[in-house]
Amino acid sequence: DGGITQSPKYLFRKEGQNVTLSCEQNLNHDAMYWYRQDPGQGLRLIYYSQIVNDFQKGDIAEGYSVSREKKESFPLTVTSAQKNPTAFYLCASSVSLGGNYGYTFGSGTRLTVV
Amino acid sequence: EDQVTQSPEALRLQEGESSSLNCSYTVSGLRGLFWYRQDPGKGPEFLFTLYSAGEEKEKERLKATLTKKESFLHITAPKPEDSATYLCAVRFGFGNEKLTFGTGTRLTIIP
Repeated sequence: DGGITQSPKYLFRKEGQNVTLSCEQNLNHDAMYWYRQDPGQGLRLIYYSQIVNDFQKGDIAEGYSVSREKKESFPLTVTSAQKNPTAFYLCASSVSLGGNYGYTFGSGTRLTVV
Repeated sequence: EDQVTQSPEALRLQEGESSSLNCSYTVSGLRGLFWYRQDPGKGPEFLFTLYSAGEEKEKERLKATLTKKESFLHITAPKPEDSATYLCAVRFGFGNEKLTFGTGTRLTIIP
């Protein structure tokens, strides 16, 4: 079955450490997105990509980095510059940028700073 | 400031008790309003897209409607399995392909 796979499901980060969240899709979607979800707040866009080797900053990109070397993969690195990284991270994809037919989301990665 | 507001924040209903969730928006040039369902600890699941005032979409016990300033998600005779958080998102403006999400309504259906 086609879908989006995020790993790991749970991740613990020490202070000053960089961590990378994986996102892989086999839907042949062009566009991919990373969102952050915090209690009481709507999903906030971190980065998005329309095509391979191209990506754009979202509303809260500071402290994060991404790459898009393959159509299927869009990993997110949470750097030590991100001061409050504890959150639920969601990766999504859509047929085209904007998602007229809706986004397909992964099951998320819960990141906790220890 | 462009924003999306969902109400109520939480709603508890008895099984079979119909109700509506609201999503109001203050954006210019709406280019799509989206409804998603999210179960605890999981990613949102796409339900509907609405584009113009007067449009309606249905899926099982859910019906989404759209006016010029708000959308309603009507749930008819809900069952416990309809319990979830329902998210609304909008896309607006030209050249802006991002979705702006509301904070969601947490719906609980009591057997």
